[in-house]
Amino acid sequence: QQQVKQSPQSLIVQKGGISIINCAYENTAFDYFPWYQQFPGKGPALLIAIRPDVSEKKEGRFTISFNKSAKQFSLHIMDSQPGDSATYFCAASPAYSGAGSYQLTFGKGTKLSVIP
Amino acid sequence: GAGVSQSPSNKVTEKGKDVELRCDPISGHTALYWYRQSLGQGLEFLIYFQGNSAPDKSGLPSDRFSAERTGGSVSTLTIQRTQQEDSAVYLCASSRDSGSYEQYFGPGTRLTVT
Repeated sequence: QQQVKQSPQSLIVQKGGISIINCAYENTAFDYFPWYQQFPGKGPALLIAIRPDVSEKKEGRFTISFNKSAKQFSLHIMDSQPGDSATYFCAASPAYSGAGSYQLTFGKGTKLSVIP
Repeated sequence: GAGVSQSPSNKVTEKGKDVELRCDPISGHTALYWYRQSLGQGLEFLIYFQGNSAPDKSGLPSDRFSAERTGGSVSTLTIQRTQQEDSAVYLCASSRDSGSYEQYFGPGTRLTVT
């Protein structure tokens, strides 16, 4: 059972354009929603994250929009640059459990290519 | 160190051999996670450590997989009797403490089982 569905699988955007990646989740126990950026041969790097008590969070050119009722969240990359070309993963983790594990459940990833 | 480090960066082993993968978390981080990244399954959680204890082992795929952590720092993931389906990138992440959501990943170990 795929608990976090991510789309599209791949995305091509012109330099300066807006890149939009969407994710949907099923588990209402999820309480934390990060986005990771991964370059080939590297580990995922935490980009931006949101908790469900807010509907939007912006950090520089990156914005997360969150819709709790629809169980959806998205990443917007404004003024996309060739250096943003990477694979992006959305993820979700549950609220605190007795075991203390905030294990992440990941989407399948979106390969973004920003062309000059 | 400045970030999470993992060694080796690449490991090629023959089917049936045992392998050990090492993770050094960010200094002072008490929570540590192992994940596996494969083409077919994407990124999957394996095990979580808080200090030297592993209260969540729910992601380990079989009893051939085990992990330990000593001194509240370095962790070792061991795969016994490796199979070809174990080929993947094994990623380690650390987090400041048990109350922190943010996880910071290392570069991974690429394991190839021939």
